[in-house]
Amino acid sequence: GAGVSQTPSNKVTEKGKYVELRCDPISGHTALYWYRQSLGQGPEFLIYFQGTGAADDSGLPNDRFFAVRPEGSVSTLKIQRTERGDSAVYLCASSPGGANTEAFFGQGTRLTVV
Amino acid sequence: GQQLNQSPQSMFIQEGEDVSMNCTSSSIFNTWLWYKQEPGEGPVLLIALYKAGELTSNGRLTAQFGITRKDSFLNISASIPSDVGIYFCAGQGFLSGSARQLTFGSGTQLTVLP
Repeated sequence: GAGVSQTPSNKVTEKGKYVELRCDPISGHTALYWYRQSLGQGPEFLIYFQGTGAADDSGLPNDRFFAVRPEGSVSTLKIQRTERGDSAVYLCASSPGGANTEAFFGQGTRLTVV
Repeated sequence: GQQLNQSPQSMFIQEGEDVSMNCTSSSIFNTWLWYKQEPGEGPVLLIALYKAGELTSNGRLTAQFGITRKDSFLNISASIPSDVGIYFCAGQGFLSGSARQLTFGSGTQLTVLP
């Protein structure tokens, strides 16, 4: 596609439920990132994929968060047993990989846990 | 997580005025990037800087990568109403392991008054 696409754009869920957030990166981009943005803050790193593998998951806050990218393209961020503190905008970005590190962001998924 | 020190937090300026904002860090970065974010959208890349001391322009925008590798500034000349938004700086470490992630500042909210 022309840009990074994230679905859904908004998600409201009840505390304790499981959610999945999807990211379609720019075609051909090998690097994919997930960030979380709280109100009034800059994005905070969660996880980085190079191809199919998670090269760095040091930003995941706890083991309720997990992400996959099974075919090296689309990625899914999964959150188990959601808590109200998980409410934020979840941003996905992709970059060509290699020496070109310029990351292009999607519009984000606004997650609200009630 | 770690965030860069970005200032000012907000700015109200008259249309036509020049704007300057900056970021500082206690850590050295290999790349500095400046993004703009509008409501409901993901950050959009404005300028990327790859060398210490580098000064780069993109239209009315000029950014510099500090000599110490610990700071960067962004200038916007002759502001126009569509410059309104939140501007974020982001630093990236060396292209190995976890250093590929972006560390963001907390943002500068720019308002341009007609």
